[in-house]
Amino acid sequence: ELKVEQNPLFLSMQEGKNYTIYCNYSTTSDRLYWYRQDPGKSLESLFVLLSNGAVKQEGRLMASLDTKARLSTLHITAAVHDLSATYFCAVDMDSGYALNFGKGTSLLVTP
Amino acid sequence: NAGVTQTPKFRILKIGQSMTLQCTQDMNHNYMYWYRQDPGMGLKLIYYSVGAGITDKGEVPNGYNVSRSTTEDFPLRLELAAPSQTSVYFCASSLEKKAFFGQGTRLTVV
Repeated sequence: ELKVEQNPLFLSMQEGKNYTIYCNYSTTSDRLYWYRQDPGKSLESLFVLLSNGAVKQEGRLMASLDTKARLSTLHITAAVHDLSATYFCAVDMDSGYALNFGKGTSLLVTP
Repeated sequence: NAGVTQTPKFRILKIGQSMTLQCTQDMNHNYMYWYRQDPGMGLKLIYYSVGAGITDKGEVPNGYNVSRSTTEDFPLRLELAAPSQTSVYFCASSLEKKAFFGQGTRLTVV
């Protein structure tokens, strides 16, 4: 059974601090996706990581992929309140291009 | 750009009633999906379609049906609604790697 595990599931951090969210998965997929969801809203694509060693950055967020370790990280640099949201990682299923999601990391950035 | 449009946004159903959640996309994507999201959980795949006329079951298909008569539309049908179907439903479409999600339908079955 394909598993996607994120940790932590809840994260409260102060503005200006750095932190990393981890995503472990059990498939041999070489593609991994990060999404953001604001409360009561839809999912917004953040990053699509397509190969081993891929690194992508946008603003204060940087995502990386290690397919050998089956691990992706989402690093937050100098957090700001606007980053408060739930972050999901996901990997491909064998069903079209459907995704298998982790449970999500609920991030709260406080002053 | 409309993207993926879902209707309705909210709905309350009584146990045993049926309804159809509508989903349409204007990006000419071949792949479409229905997911459900329960509190504290990720999204679970209900059904998916790789093109018009082709549908297949996902992880949690029981109690649902779909059809895909056109590229644009992928409705999800609930027959005999049950409390366990209380959830937020997301429709999505993709060309290949990147999926685009609708705004969701919040369904409560009482």
